[in-house]
Amino acid sequence: QVQLVESGGGLVKPGGSLRLSCAASGFTFSDYYMSWIRQAPGKGLEWVSYISSSGSTIYYADSVKGRFTISRDNAKNSLYLQMNSLRAEDTAVYYCARGGGYDSLDYWGQGTLVTVSS
Amino acid sequence: DVVMTQSPLSLPVTLGQPASISCRSSQSLVYSDGNTYLNWFQQRPGQSPRRLIYKVSNRDSGVPDRFSGSGSGTDFTLKISRVEAEDVGVYYCMQGTHWPPITFGQGTRLEIK
Repeated sequence: QVQLVESGGGLVKPGGSLRLSCAASGFTFSDYYMSWIRQAPGKGLEWVSYISSSGSTIYYADSVKGRFTISRDNAKNSLYLQMNSLRAEDTAVYYCARGGGYDSLDYWGQGTLVTVSS
Repeated sequence: DVVMTQSPLSLPVTLGQPASISCRSSQSLVYSDGNTYLNWFQQRPGQSPRRLIYKVSNRDSGVPDRFSGSGSGTDFTLKISRVEAEDVGVYYCMQGTHWPPITFGQGTRLEIK
């Protein structure tokens, strides 16, 4: 069965960095686009970033452009999100999900909490 | 960016009664391939979102048939024919036609009266 497991969240000071990982299993990871979506405490869902199956096409939300970097390692069935220059407003649960736009986002991980606070 | 507007934002429903959630987009969601990429997600308390419906009206595997999606263009609806206790949670619509960015509605909180 499809499984997505995020890790790497935690408490970080404003201006700091964090790297999130998402381990995928139960499907051919290299065949699928992947996305990161976040949810601030008590708030709705916000799409963060997308990467194509080969990694050649990448998109970011304006709110994270220039600060976050999405990447993947198909040999390790893993998706990553490098987050730099973190701000309080980046505090959220970060989910990885299979797919990008169109009719995707069919599977989601359990999420990892990132808290940006001094 | 396409703005997705849901109503109502809070939906108290009696067990066994129907429920309906509306989602409107700021522009038509018909893609050049003829498909309409409007999806619905359910997020139960303390859980990750789960896709229920894709391309307006297609139920995902394992989704009970009391859930149905309909609509076209800019107006869409998620209906639950008879609400059960396990349906409590927040429901989001999402458009995947005009992306990036993918955009979600604000969410509709369904609760039992």
